[in-house]
Amino acid sequence: NAGVMQNPRHLVRRRGQEARLRCSPMKGHSHVYWYRQLPEEGLKFMVYLQKENIIDESGMPKERFSAEFPKEGPSILRIQQVVRGDSAAYFCASSPNEKLFFGSGTQLSVL
Amino acid sequence: AQTVTQSQPEMSVQEAETVTLSCTYDTSESDYYLFWYKQPPSRQMILVIRQEAYKQQNATENRFSVNFQKAAKSFSLKISDSQLGDAAMYFCAYGKGGSEKLVFGKGTKLTVNP
Repeated sequence: NAGVMQNPRHLVRRRGQEARLRCSPMKGHSHVYWYRQLPEEGLKFMVYLQKENIIDESGMPKERFSAEFPKEGPSILRIQQVVRGDSAAYFCASSPNEKLFFGSGTQLSVL
Repeated sequence: AQTVTQSQPEMSVQEAETVTLSCTYDTSESDYYLFWYKQPPSRQMILVIRQEAYKQQNATENRFSVNFQKAAKSFSLKISDSQLGDAAMYFCAYGKGGSEKLVFGKGTKLTVNP
């Protein structure tokens, strides 16, 4: 029973490029959460999705960031025109009920 | 808004000894959960222990236990018989009942000395 799978593990982008981060939840879980961890900080909630629906995006920056969880395939967190301040670890988590299981995260580095 | 505060950026303990990590939180909700997560250098977030606010009994998981003081809004983690593998960042987190939208503290870096 595979855990939450995230890829890539490391992603390097130059300023202005696009970053796509993928997350496959645990088998049987249909809820996905994205969190961001800036250096020396705890994780901060970004967005909560169910299949084909965004339930809560209150933690998403208003511009350049978007997320989707299609009927088929992984959840995608997309960051357009990346800036150095986007450098962080991005974690995906899935849940059956009030217990989050996290992936290993994607470390995004913006040069 | 809910907040979680971890006042100890770093802690150290001798192998086989006991250490307590502090956490306080602020909320006006009555239905909520509290968590401790461990993050080793591999970056994986590992759930250590979970406490339901409505339960008076403190949660325990093997060598890990909590001291949950609801009135004081305090939720400390005690690690007994510390092992080298316990070295990691430890994050305290709060979640409102029915939601997995967690609020995390800034973490405590635990070093275990042989």
